[in-house]
Amino acid sequence: GENVEQHPSTLSVQEGDSAVIKCTYSDSASNYFPWYKQELGKGPQLIIDIRSNVGEKKDQRIAVTLNKTAKHFSLHITETQPEDSAVYFCAASKTQAGTALIFGKGTTLSVSS
Amino acid sequence: NAGVMQNPRHLVRRRGQEARLRCSPMKGHSHVYWYRQLPEEGLKFMVYLQKENIIDESGMPKERFSAEFPKEGPSILRIQQVVRGDSAAYFCASSPFTGGEQYFGPGTRLTVT
Repeated sequence: GENVEQHPSTLSVQEGDSAVIKCTYSDSASNYFPWYKQELGKGPQLIIDIRSNVGEKKDQRIAVTLNKTAKHFSLHITETQPEDSAVYFCAASKTQAGTALIFGKGTTLSVSS
Repeated sequence: NAGVMQNPRHLVRRRGQEARLRCSPMKGHSHVYWYRQLPEEGLKFMVYLQKENIIDESGMPKERFSAEFPKEGPSILRIQQVVRGDSAAYFCASSPFTGGEQYFGPGTRLTVT
């Protein structure tokens, strides 16, 4: 079955710097890759997603890139702010089967001012 | 439009008791997924349901766990004869269609004493 690896597990940056989180997946049939932000004591919040027919997607300070050949995708956050501090999860799924999301183990991002 | 609702938010059970977790999907969503999150870990898929049907229960433990999503009312995740290892955060997510974005609720934190 699908396996998703996520790196790094922790990431500390200064306010205003960029942050990059990388994920790799194993199942070449996966075609949907969302990213979630989880704050302490809360549920995961969908922040951006990408489907396999697209190479890059941007939403204000957040962007996601996908390399289907290498089977990896990345989250880029520019101009980081303290409120970006949270745990970020990547996930993969095969939407044609309506299958579940397979999650990475998460990256704890700390943005210091 | 209210988001995904889960109750109770916190649940304490003694070993051997039953736990019932409820999930009301977003309005217009008929697809529900249940995930479990152990401390310091990512989310693990348990079961995927549509109204009155279990579509995929491949992540559900074979014993003591069951789920339903009746025609009327919330989806229920039921854990019989709870053990300490069942202590975790349980999240449900809803989606408007097969392969659509999944939106998560705030979770139920189950503690087994």
